[in-house]
Amino acid sequence: GENVEQHPSTLSVQEGDSAVIKCTYSDSASNYFPWYKQELGKGPQLIIDIRSNVGEKKDQRIAVTLNKTAKHFSLHITETQPEDSAVYFCAAYYNTDKLIFGTGTRLQVFP
Amino acid sequence: SAVISQKPSRDICQRGTSLTIQCQVDSQVTMMFWYRQQPGQSLTLIATANQGSEATYESGFVIDKFPISRPNLTFSTLTVSNMSPEDSSIYLCSVGGTGGETQYFGPGTRLLVL
Repeated sequence: GENVEQHPSTLSVQEGDSAVIKCTYSDSASNYFPWYKQELGKGPQLIIDIRSNVGEKKDQRIAVTLNKTAKHFSLHITETQPEDSAVYFCAAYYNTDKLIFGTGTRLQVFP
Repeated sequence: SAVISQKPSRDICQRGTSLTIQCQVDSQVTMMFWYRQQPGQSLTLIATANQGSEATYESGFVIDKFPISRPNLTFSTLTVSNMSPEDSSIYLCSVGGTGGETQYFGPGTRLLVL
C-alpha cells in the first residue's frame, strides 16, 4: 500500500547551520511532492513543492531535491534561524488521488 | 492560495456528545478534504467531500461516526459523533485538487474529549 517514510523524527541544529530532512515514497506513479511546515497551534503551511519533471527546486533558503529512480526526496534549509523551528511534513500523491503524509520531523534551531 | 477558516478553533466536550466543525473557503473549490491529526502524529485523511455527492471515506472511517456535509462550493462541515476520549485530536480542513494540485490547510480545530 501507500507509504511515505520520513527521517529523522527530530533534528536539532545551531542557528546558521543547515538542516536536511529526507523522505522515501512507495508509489512509483507519484508525481507531486509538497513540504509543509506546522507551527504550534497552527495548520500545516505549504513551504515548497516539486513535481516529477524536475530534479531540484529552490526558494531562498529552502530547496527540495527529487530522485525519482530511488523514490527519494529531501528538504534542505540553509542558514537556519530560530523561526524555522517547527514540525515539517513531506507528502506524496498516491495513485494521483490523495496525499499521503510522512511521519513528521521536529526541527529545533538553537540560537 | 485559498484562505480557509474553521470554527470552532478549539473545544472541550463530554464523551457521548457530538461536535460539528465548520470549514469556510474564500473561493469556490471542487475538492475539500477532512484530516485528523492525533497528538504528536501525522495527518490522516478521513474523507473527501465533493459538492453534490456523498463524501468518500478512507479505510477506518465511517459515515455514522464522521458525517460530512458539502452544501456548496465554499463550505463543508464534519461532525464527530458519540465522542470518546480517543477522538481527541486536531481536525483539519483542506482544499485543492487531486492528481498533483496543491492542497492548502485551514488552521484546524483542537478537540479534547473528557
